[in-house]
Amino acid sequence: AQSVTQLGSHVSVSEGALVLLRCNYSSSVPPYLFWYVQYPNKGLQLLLKYTSAATLVKGINGFEAEFKKSETSFHLTKPSAHMSDAAEYFCAVSVTNSGYSTLTFGKGTMLLVSP
Amino acid sequence: DAGITQSPRHKVTETGTPVTLRCHQTENHRYMYWYRQDPGHGLRLIHYSYGVKDTDKGEVSDGYSVSRSKTEDFLLTLESATSSQTSVYFCAIGGGLATDTQYFGPGTRLTVL
Repeated sequence: AQSVTQLGSHVSVSEGALVLLRCNYSSSVPPYLFWYVQYPNKGLQLLLKYTSAATLVKGINGFEAEFKKSETSFHLTKPSAHMSDAAEYFCAVSVTNSGYSTLTFGKGTMLLVSP
Repeated sequence: DAGITQSPRHKVTETGTPVTLRCHQTENHRYMYWYRQDPGHGLRLIHYSYGVKDTDKGEVSDGYSVSRSKTEDFLLTLESATSSQTSVYFCAIGGGLATDTQYFGPGTRLTVL
């Protein structure tokens, strides 16, 4: 079964510091991977997705993620954190059953940004 | 929120009562989903629909039923609510193909006393 694991339920950084949120996947087939962000009391918004076209994927708000097959990872990074980046981030993998695809999410990582 | 509305946005109910949550989309999308979000569990798929009257179970479907009689509406019903169903419920549209994006509604916060 395909799954994702997010390491760290909470990550704290200072404003201007590097943001690194970790996601490892388990899949017997080439995976399609997604990062979503959830701001307080809001729905989820797509940050970026890996669809095998390129291993380095750039998303919105200055975020990017690199697909590394050898490490089964898809970590999310941003060079310089802003206060507005404080939110919960979810990694997800697309799972196909009976011809239909659904998403399986990780448990989420809360990003805290301090001044 | 990509033309997705959920109603009600907040609901408090008592154990044993039936509850129906509604998801309405204006995007004419074939695929719709219901998830629940709980602290420490992320989002878990309850049911999904791949067309009018076509639905299937997700990871945590026990205690829930769904119906889709029109493309734009996907209803989630808790036949007899329990305290373990206290959660935030999100509807999503899109997806279908493995690389397709799902777009999420604003959520419904349900409290079962």
